Amino acid sequence: QQKVQQSPESLIVPEGGMASLNCTSSDRNVDYFWWYRQHSGKSPKMLMSIFSNGEKEEGRFTVHLNKASLHTSLHIRDSQPSDSALYLCAASNNNAGAKLTFGGGTRLTVRP
Amino acid sequence: NAGVIQTPRHKVTGKGQEATLWCEPISGHSAVFWYRQTIVQGLEFLTYFRNQAPIDDSGMPKERFSAQMPNQSHSTLKIQSTQPQDSAVYLCASSLDWGGYEQYFGPGTRLTVL
Repeated sequence: QQKVQQSPESLIVPEGGMASLNCTSSDRNVDYFWWYRQHSGKSPKMLMSIFSNGEKEEGRFTVHLNKASLHTSLHIRDSQPSDSALYLCAASNNNAGAKLTFGGGTRLTVRP
Repeated sequence: NAGVIQTPRHKVTGKGQEATLWCEPISGHSAVFWYRQTIVQGLEFLTYFRNQAPIDDSGMPKERFSAQMPNQSHSTLKIQSTQPQDSAVYLCASSLDWGGYEQYFGPGTRLTVL
């Protein structure tokens, strides 16, 4: 069964700093990786998705993907207190349907 | 666009009672998913529908859980004989189609089984 592992479990960065989050899948058939952000008491909202090797940038957020190692990372530069949340990585495999398999999450705290 | 609507937002049941959770997907979305989230297990897939047809229920506990999608505007998740371990936030999500399309999550229903 596919598993998605995220690290670290928790991360504290100062305001204005860089946060780096990691995620690895054990399923060699993964087609897409997804990064969701979930603020306390709210539902997950998608930040970014990636399916091809390389890097994708949107504002302060950058996602990297290495398909050979099934590893993706999310980098948040100039972190803000409003970025404090649970960050969830998910993987999907089109041959197994569209369901998302989520990792355990990284809880990010940005200290003012 | 109101987003995915879930009702009720909170539900408290006694052990052994039935709970029915409702989801209204975003209009025009053909795929509807159910997940549940707990502190211990994290966010887990339960089941999904495409164009109202059940496609994958591999995450559903077999005996007491069932899901239906009688029309394109709503889906229900029914839990019979609820147990304390069923306590969780149940999240419904919808996407334009399956395979590579963003899933939009509803606010969730927090189920507490006493």
